Amino acid sequence: AQSVTQLDSHVSVSEGTPVLLRCNYSSSYSPSLFWYVQHPNKGLQLLLKYTSAATLVKGINGFEAEFKKSETSFHLTKPSAHMSDAAEYFCVVSDRGNAGNMLTFGGGTRLMVKP
Amino acid sequence: GAGVSQSPSNKVTEKGKDVELRCDPISGHTALYWYRQRLGQGLEFLIYFQGNSAPDKSGLPSDRFSAERTGESVSTLTIQRTQQEDSAVYLCASSQTSIGEQFFGPGTRLTVL
Repeated sequence: AQSVTQLDSHVSVSEGTPVLLRCNYSSSYSPSLFWYVQHPNKGLQLLLKYTSAATLVKGINGFEAEFKKSETSFHLTKPSAHMSDAAEYFCVVSDRGNAGNMLTFGGGTRLMVKP
Repeated sequence: GAGVSQSPSNKVTEKGKDVELRCDPISGHTALYWYRQRLGQGLEFLIYFQGNSAPDKSGLPSDRFSAERTGESVSTLTIQRTQQEDSAVYLCASSQTSIGEQFFGPGTRLTVL
């Protein structure tokens, strides 16, 4: 079984400053890891995914994440926050068991960006 | 269609009533997933379809929950005798294959009074 822990339920940054959203996972297999973003009243959107290729993954809107197996972490970063980045972010691990590609979600981190 | 659609977008019902939630996946996507998102929490997996078959129903929280899929297309999630703890956003996702990227619909917000 796998699980995902997002270490911060809320993160607040000023516009133009770096963003760090922390995620730790546990998995019995070589995991696939994802970050999804959910803006208010909108559907979930895939930001980026790691599937055992390069450990530093670049996604949309300037976000990137680094897979660190020794630390079982997959933290999401962005060098400079923009007001439009304010949203809920979910770290996700994939289980390729009986349930096809069942996704296990972390509890989410709400990112607030101050002007 | 252009994306995954779900209906209704909002549903308010009284405790004890049955509800049906509908999901229209992206055309040609063989895999379909239902998730539940309670207020302030991440998504919980409910059930997965490959074609019209559901090989894994382990996420369904009780026997009041059931789902079906027909024509390898539309899926309905039925909740019988709704309870207040069923209040949540129910999200549907589809993927082209069982290991492909999942595309999510906008969800149905269910409120049980």
